[in-house]
Amino acid sequence: NAGVTQTPKFQVLKTGQSMTLQCAQDMNHNSMYWYRQDPGMGLRLIYYSASEGTTDKGEVPNGYNVSRLNKREFSLRLESAAPSQTSVYFCASSETRGGYEKLFFGSGTQLSVL
Amino acid sequence: RKEVEQDPGPFNVPEGATVAFNCTYSNSASQSFFWYRQDCRKEPKLLMSVYSSGNEDGRFTAQLNRASQYISLLIRDSKLSDSATYLCVVNSGGATNKLIFGTGTLLAVQP
Repeated sequence: NAGVTQTPKFQVLKTGQSMTLQCAQDMNHNSMYWYRQDPGMGLRLIYYSASEGTTDKGEVPNGYNVSRLNKREFSLRLESAAPSQTSVYFCASSETRGGYEKLFFGSGTQLSVL
Repeated sequence: RKEVEQDPGPFNVPEGATVAFNCTYSNSASQSFFWYRQDCRKEPKLLMSVYSSGNEDGRFTAQLNRASQYISLLIRDSKLSDSATYLCVVNSGGATNKLIFGTGTLLAVQP
């Protein structure tokens, strides 16, 4: 029972490089999310997708793009990485359409931008 | 003022102790409330939802006070395995209905 799988687990980038974080869930959830977690800040929502084919900005979307490729997959792309994007990134999915009754998180990606 | 505020701790308690965490929220339109648990370097996991009448799950009791806009989590008979960060989570209410996470309260249960 994989749940939410995100890759990679660790990544080091140089300023200006690009990369894509991959996320997939096998629970047939409609809603998927990308959060970042920084010390003293709590988890902050970057983007979310309430259903296949739709995406919306969260609290901190600048510098990121997302793609809801199908119901299972939701990727996060950094086009030109900046040191301020050094963080731990979590993908999540939820059981109810547009709702937040229970979030299931992936194991996280530790990203360092030098 | 932060939308969701928690005492960061750490709370250092001996095994068997009872410990309580409080969390305040600023948006009176919030309708859903949760406690998540996060172990060091791991993903958050839902511990329990918080219902208006209060609810209990084993050694864990959650309470909601809408008038004062705070929720609480009580842990009885603390175990070493309870050591973690406890995240207070509140939905934003209104049209967007997004979840707002507190910064977490660190609990360290000592042998």
